[in-house]
Amino acid sequence: DVRLTQSPSSLSASVGDRITITCRASRTIGSDLNWYRQKPGKAPNLLIYTTSTLQSGVPSRFSGSGSGTDFTLTISSLQPEDFATYYCQQTYSLPWTFGRGTKVEVK
Amino acid sequence: QVQLQESGPGLVKPSETLSLTCTVSGGSISSHYWSWIRQTPEKGLEWIGYIYYSGSSDSNPSLKTRLTISLDTSKSQFFLNLRSVTAADTAVYFCARFYYDGYGQRYFDLWGRGTLVTVSS
Repeated sequence: DVRLTQSPSSLSASVGDRITITCRASRTIGSDLNWYRQKPGKAPNLLIYTTSTLQSGVPSRFSGSGSGTDFTLTISSLQPEDFATYYCQQTYSLPWTFGRGTKVEVK
Repeated sequence: QVQLQESGPGLVKPSETLSLTCTVSGGSISSHYWSWIRQTPEKGLEWIGYIYYSGSSDSNPSLKTRLTISLDTSKSQFFLNLRSVTAADTAVYFCARFYYDGYGQRYFDLWGRGTLVTVSS
């Protein structure tokens, strides 16, 4: 299985901050990396697919980059609704796997 | 607007079968892949398996021997059956639509709200 390691596991930030979350795959996964945001008690919500394509309706403050084994999710200006947990997920090879998440908390 | 809704027992006894239904409303179950995913504090998000509207399916090898995923297109529903459950199968279970355009775009774009299933006697 492809193991996805996210860092940091948690971070504290303020509204308006720029934050970056990284996701490292245990082997190359091309560009088959997606990002989700999950709020407490809710299902994950797709933000970015195939490394850098913004899902319809997702604000442009979200961006993704990377390839191979190293990927990043950047939020350019954190908004109140962005305090949540973020997950990366690969669809390069079965079984599809998720990272353990990065919790973004209020500083 | 397509919506997914999980339903099924919230409590299952050890060694019994966990059965869940996902009902797809507001759109067709055809021409898509449909998936089950679960979430626990210990293991995080775990992909369980998928089924294509044609009936073909695949699943996580860690669960394959206990798992059956099926669908009923006439009712716009797909199903999860997990046999011989233990406490380790206690989780929030999500159903989700897996979008695949045939060229490489693959992602879970629609999710149900999730349902907590507890395995306990």
